[in-house]
Amino acid sequence: EIVLTQSPGTLSLSPGERATLSCRASQSVSSGYLAWYQQKPGQPPRLLIYGASSRATGIPDRFSGSGSGTDFTLTISRLEPEDFAVYYCQKYGDSPPLTFGGGTKVEIK
Amino acid sequence: QVQLVESGGGVVQPGGSLRLSCAASGFTFSNYGMHWVRQAPGKGLEWVTFIWYGGNNKYYADSVRGRFTISRDNSKNTLYLQMNSLREEDTAVYYCAKSDSGGPGYFDYWGQGILVTVSS
Repeated sequence: EIVLTQSPGTLSLSPGERATLSCRASQSVSSGYLAWYQQKPGQPPRLLIYGASSRATGIPDRFSGSGSGTDFTLTISRLEPEDFAVYYCQKYGDSPPLTFGGGTKVEIK
Repeated sequence: QVQLVESGGGVVQPGGSLRLSCAASGFTFSNYGMHWVRQAPGKGLEWVTFIWYGGNNKYYADSVRGRFTISRDNSKNTLYLQMNSLREEDTAVYYCAKSDSGGPGYFDYWGQGILVTVSS
């Protein structure tokens, strides 16, 4: 089973700053089957990135994903007020389980 | 537009059973795999189970294997989760989520979630 470790646990930043979130896998994630989700309180998660670097429909271009193998990054180039939320990475594909990382909370500094 | 609406949640005693449903609309349900994901209060996301588009293949997390059963009725555009031998640690908001493909892909649409509370 692939374990995903997200860091940091909490990121305290101001609007307009750049956010860099890390997701490290215990084994290589095949074919870059890595997704990122955003979740705000009381809401279901929302898909941001799939295939490690492809933005989902309607996601602003300030969100970008990168990485391969065991190291992946979600970058928010300039934080908007609506971006303060919890972010999860997730491994998907034909080898269950489809594990999630523990999440990174991006909070207002 | 894609809609996923969960129902069937509530309060149940440990050892009890509950059946969740997820009514799907806005897409060709029979072409896509479907997942259940849960989130315990104040905790992160946990993938629970997946069913392929045709319903023949299913995957389960170790934490629920042998107690939970996923199924689907493509004629009714509905996904189910039968939960037996419930434990207090099964208390969570349960989300149904659509896969991007017929197999276990990423989750491109989510329902609003339904709360299941296991408590005596």
